[in-house]
Amino acid sequence: GAVVSQHPSRVICKSGTSVKIECRSLDFQATTMFWYRQFPKKSLMLMATSNEGSKATYEQGVEKDKFLINHASLTLSTLTVTSAHPEDSSFYICSASWGRGETQYFGPGTRLLVL
Amino acid sequence: QQQVKQSPQSLIVQKGGISIINCAYENTAFDYFPWYQQFPGKGPALLIAIRPDVSEKKEGRFTISFNKSAKQFSLHIMDSQPGDSATYFCAASYGATNKLIFGTGTLLAVQP
Repeated sequence: GAVVSQHPSRVICKSGTSVKIECRSLDFQATTMFWYRQFPKKSLMLMATSNEGSKATYEQGVEKDKFLINHASLTLSTLTVTSAHPEDSSFYICSASWGRGETQYFGPGTRLLVL
Repeated sequence: QQQVKQSPQSLIVQKGGISIINCAYENTAFDYFPWYQQFPGKGPALLIAIRPDVSEKKEGRFTISFNKSAKQFSLHIMDSQPGDSATYFCAASYGATNKLIFGTGTLLAVQP
């Protein structure tokens, strides 16, 4: 149980384009979803927290207009990287939790490469 | 105060040996301490977690030891196997936000 999927697993795009990443909880209703960014050989950096039906809460230093997060249902959250640039290239990982929410289950991650 | 310090950065253990990874925290409001295992190119997978009212928790070959007064906790992997070779992250959170604060990670290599 507690399976989280992400799509796509990897994406290559041109600089200036927008990319959407989907995060789905497959066997539970996720009241809260989190989006992380991870650089090679580094730890996970929380970007934002989203609750179903509410606006996402962004961490300090994360541009909310660049990283648009939508949590439209209890099983789906999306991260859109707008006007992507090479410095946005990274490994993006979502996680989901339910109820009291302390346990987070992570998706497999999405590798984004911006050329 | 929000940091979780993790050591060592890397660890090499012989097959069958014990792998030990340590973490320390400052924020006494933390009330949930999970450990995650991550393989290259994959998302982290929850291994085991503990709350501060328990000093030790064991699940199979994985054990968390928790020292509340020292604000430290550690992961012990007994009978380490080559398949355990991965990066391990400790983390901490507290109920107000449930945001996980991750340690810097430990790259474990188990040699056959």
